[in-house]
Amino acid sequence: DAEITQSPRHKITETGRQVTLACHQTWNHNNMFWYRQDLGHGLRLIHYSYGVQDTNKGEVSDGYSVSRSNTEDLPLTLESAASSQTSVYFCASSDGARGRLNNEQFFGPGTRLTVL
Amino acid sequence: AQSVTQPDIHITVSEGASLELRCNYSYGATPYLFWYVQSPGQGLQLLLKYFSGDTLVQGIKGFEAEFKRSQSSFNLRKPSVHWSDAAEYFCAVGATGGGNKLTFGTGTQLKVEL
Repeated sequence: DAEITQSPRHKITETGRQVTLACHQTWNHNNMFWYRQDLGHGLRLIHYSYGVQDTNKGEVSDGYSVSRSNTEDLPLTLESAASSQTSVYFCASSDGARGRLNNEQFFGPGTRLTVL
Repeated sequence: AQSVTQPDIHITVSEGASLELRCNYSYGATPYLFWYVQSPGQGLQLLLKYFSGDTLVQGIKGFEAEFKRSQSSFNLRKPSVHWSDAAEYFCAVGATGGGNKLTFGTGTQLKVEL
């Protein structure tokens, strides 16, 4: 079955380190998204991509970067991890042109990141 | 910019009782509206969505929601709650302007008493 996976599921790192969270989907979806989930904030969009080499900043993009070199993967990089980036990170994907809202976003299981 | 408000942070209901979770949105045009459910330690799963047409939409797991433009609301309902419905529920609004992005509410945690 097609799926969307995230790795690692749990990560502890130190302030100032670079961290990369992986997201891989096997649906061949055009669109991929990264969200962070924090108590009292729900999910907030970090970055999104509508296709290979097509990435865009979301609501809370400072301190994060993404690069899309193929359809299946959208890794999220924290350039210099900060304690404020302790959160649960979700990747999602959807089909259709440019994030077409008629199409469901499918979510991965999440990565819990702790920055000490 | 669009926004979503879920006024209830926590709700507790007895198994078999009816449920209504509130969602209010702010958006200038006709919105795309969604309800997602998140079980502990899991990702989000789509329950139902509204784009246009019939304002009462049916979803999975026996859930339904009604779009009321006059009240800017999209409340989620279920006539009889099961213990397995205990989870966190998120309302989201999608806007076509600015890139087809979803904006989520802060969520409502549902507890079901046996």
